[in-house]
Amino acid sequence: TQLLEQSPQFLSIQEGENLTVYCNSSSVFSSLQWYRQEPGEGPVLLVTVVTGGEVKKLKRLTFQFGDARKDSSLHITAAQPGDTGLYLCAGENYGGSQGNLIFGKGTKLSVKP
Amino acid sequence: AAGVIQSPRHLIKEKRETATLKCYPIPRHDTVYWYQQGPGQDPQFLISFYEKMQSDKGSIPDRFSAQQFSDYHSELNMSSLELGDSALYFCASRAQGKNTEAFFGQGTRLTVV
Repeated sequence: TQLLEQSPQFLSIQEGENLTVYCNSSSVFSSLQWYRQEPGEGPVLLVTVVTGGEVKKLKRLTFQFGDARKDSSLHITAAQPGDTGLYLCAGENYGGSQGNLIFGKGTKLSVKP
Repeated sequence: AAGVIQSPRHLIKEKRETATLKCYPIPRHDTVYWYQQGPGQDPQFLISFYEKMQSDKGSIPDRFSAQQFSDYHSELNMSSLELGDSALYFCASRAQGKNTEAFFGQGTRLTVV
């Protein structure tokens, strides 16, 4: 069974602070996706990382895929209250053309003004 | 742009009753996933379909069944409902190909009383 461990589980910070969320597994994934979910809504994709060592930037968000494709991190610079939400990483491993997304338990981020 | 449509948005059922949840994927998306998300939990994969055939099965109870129809919409049938089935049920659709984005619907909130 492929498992994704996310840490921390909860994070409460002040506006303007930086933070890093981690997603780790003992399994190798073909790709990793990061989603953000607001209460009562479905997860929305932020980014997909595919290549080991890959770094992607999305405004104040920086995503990194580990060299061995077993872990990933999300770094947010100068967090804002609008960043508040549940951040989920999801790994995919496919034998055929498409696999299933396995989700981590999420990191609940609260950014206080 | 059309999104994933789930119906109903909210459903209240009594123990031992049955429920049917519906999912209408984005046009030309041929893959549908069903996830169950309990309060404060990460989405748990239940079952997926590709081109109207079941492609993978996760932690779906035997009391549940699902299918994808010729128009690619999917239905999740739940029988002998238990209190523990109360959760948010998400459907996601993806287009064919590797690393494509999964688009989630807004979910159906099922409450079993």
